[in-house]
Amino acid sequence: EAQVTQNPRYLITVTGKKLTVTCSQNMNHEYMSWYRQDPGLGLRQIYYSMNVEVTDKGDVPEGYKVSRKEKRNFPLILESPSPNQTSLYFCASSWGTSETDTQYFGPGTRLTVL
Amino acid sequence: RKEVEQDPGPFNVPEGATVAFNCTYSNSASQSFFWYRQDCRKEPKLLMSVYSSGNEDGRFTAQLNRASQYISLLIRDSKLSDSATYLCVVSRSSNDYKLSFGAGTTVTVRA
Repeated sequence: EAQVTQNPRYLITVTGKKLTVTCSQNMNHEYMSWYRQDPGLGLRQIYYSMNVEVTDKGDVPEGYKVSRKEKRNFPLILESPSPNQTSLYFCASSWGTSETDTQYFGPGTRLTVL
Repeated sequence: RKEVEQDPGPFNVPEGATVAFNCTYSNSASQSFFWYRQDCRKEPKLLMSVYSSGNEDGRFTAQLNRASQYISLLIRDSKLSDSATYLCVVSRSSNDYKLSFGAGTTVTVRA
């Protein structure tokens, strides 16, 4: 089954404790991205990757890191989480961003930073 | 100004009604346009892409107006299952692979 998986689905942590949210896709997609969703603000792109070892900043990259060492995986790293990073996070993958490219989203990770 | 703006609604409509709403975008170089559907903070799913000539998928019709920089979605013969938040998505330009999302328009279809 074609899918994007994220782990963990729910996480409560404390300020400053490094964490990683994993994202994996089995569709051999080249494009992967991370979003955060906050009430009233919609989804905002954090980072995206066009291919292995190619990453770029989205609209809200501060406080986040990513890596793309393999095509299927695109982990999101919070080196020192802060309460303003409490949010719902989605990973997505696709072939690209043209009008024929569907973004496939993972189920989301609900993060709370205390 | 936000890159993509949507009327948040909610649009409360009876079953069988037609509902339509727009999304405006600020970047005239934007290339690709989409409508995604999101149920109750679950993952968004593609409803349809929006093509320059407009396109239809069953009860859903999408239009693009490049001159006025907006896209629209029309839902005919609304079903209870159409209740959701509809997200407008715009890709920036041909050499910029960022995607911009609107905050969503909530539609509630009542029996």
